[in-house]
Amino acid sequence: EIVLTQSPGTLSLSPGERATLSCRASHSVSSSYLAWYQQRPGQAPRLLIYGASSRASGIPDRFSGSGSGTDFTLTISSLEPEDFAVYYCQQYSSPLITFGQGTRLEIK
Amino acid sequence: QVQLQESGPGLVKPSQTLSLTCTVSGGSIGSGTYYWSWIRQPAGKGLEWIGRIYASGSTSYNPSLKSRVTISLDTSKNQFSLRLSSVTAADTAVYSCARGVRGLLGFDPWGQGTLVTVSS
Repeated sequence: EIVLTQSPGTLSLSPGERATLSCRASHSVSSSYLAWYQQRPGQAPRLLIYGASSRASGIPDRFSGSGSGTDFTLTISSLEPEDFAVYYCQQYSSPLITFGQGTRLEIK
Repeated sequence: QVQLQESGPGLVKPSQTLSLTCTVSGGSIGSGTYYWSWIRQPAGKGLEWIGRIYASGSTSYNPSLKSRVTISLDTSKNQFSLRLSSVTAADTAVYSCARGVRGLLGFDPWGQGTLVTVSS
């Protein structure tokens, strides 16, 4: 089983700042099978990034994904008030889909 | 625009079987382009993938739950279902259904989720 470890656990930033979220895999992950989600309180997760770096439909271009192998990054270039939420990475390596434990992005 | 909606009992007794249905609207569940998944999230915790089913009926499950899980498809009703047997309090969670695309990883859209509590 591939374990995804997200860091930091909590990130405190101000609107307008740049956010960098990390997702590290215990074994190499195919970039095709690495995704990122945003979850606001009381809501279902929203797909942000698939294939490690492709933005999902309707996702603003301030969100970007990068990385390969075992190290992946989600970057939010300039934080908007609605971006403060929990972010999860996700991977698939047969036969199992797993999620990271999440990074909470909070207003400083 | 495809939408998913979970339905089923909100309270299940220990040792019984949890049964949920996801109704898909705005698109056909029989499309070979997609697969259909169940995911759960205990209160205040992270996400756990339960399993998925393709339009062909082929399934794959989380090994940690495999012995207790069945996911099935009803194309006539445009629905897919989850059954989880021998439940305990540890199975209390918000259960969500979601759509995935073959050959990629990314669940979109998701249903709003439904809370299932296991308690006597």
